[in-house]
Amino acid sequence: QKEVEQDPGPLSVPEGAIVSLNCTYSNSAFQYFMWYRQYSRKGPELLMYTYSSGNKEDGRFTAQVDKSSKYISLFIRDSQPSDSATYLCAMSDGSATNKLIFGTGTLLAVQP
Amino acid sequence: GAGVSQSPSNKVTEKGKDVELRCDPISGHTALYWYRQSLGQGLEFLIYFQGNSAPDKSGLPSDRFSAERTGGSVSTLTIQRTQQEDSAVYLCASSWAKADTQYFGPGTRLTVL
Repeated sequence: QKEVEQDPGPLSVPEGAIVSLNCTYSNSAFQYFMWYRQYSRKGPELLMYTYSSGNKEDGRFTAQVDKSSKYISLFIRDSQPSDSATYLCAMSDGSATNKLIFGTGTLLAVQP
Repeated sequence: GAGVSQSPSNKVTEKGKDVELRCDPISGHTALYWYRQSLGQGLEFLIYFQGNSAPDKSGLPSDRFSAERTGGSVSTLTIQRTQQEDSAVYLCASSWAKADTQYFGPGTRLTVL
């Protein structure tokens, strides 16, 4: 079983919809949680960064972390065609290396 | 300023050949990471450099893989005697310090025939 599980999709929604993306994890030592967005043939770019449990909002994006359930979510409000990309969750335990453990990514398509 | 750059963007090689992949991190970033992204596997950590400290090589899949970082800046990932299962996108990331946000380059797409 992988340390981080993520539904690969693909997920197709109409423009303006609310999108919910989720990851579960098994390592209780994880305390830093991130969402990256990756367009086709590009490198991942950081969207949201959260430490420990709680919510964080940035414009149309909201990240939630529930450490008790080992579950993180990313919500996208008023989705746009430009949001069409692969969304990767990532987490780390803040150890000496701080290497990131990634989910496999969810492919999102927002239809105009 | 400029982001993380990687070269080449694409590399096609024959099984058994050696390849070198290059990463130029963001200027001033002391931490540098290599990851591999395979189809359906997500990104997997390969190796980490921090300043002049010994690198963390715990993610390298075999002794055919090696990496170095010269002068605390540019890094080269070398794969010897390439195999078809080495085909993947190799991504480099850098950050100001180990606990900081990692910024990724565009990756090198390696195809081993």
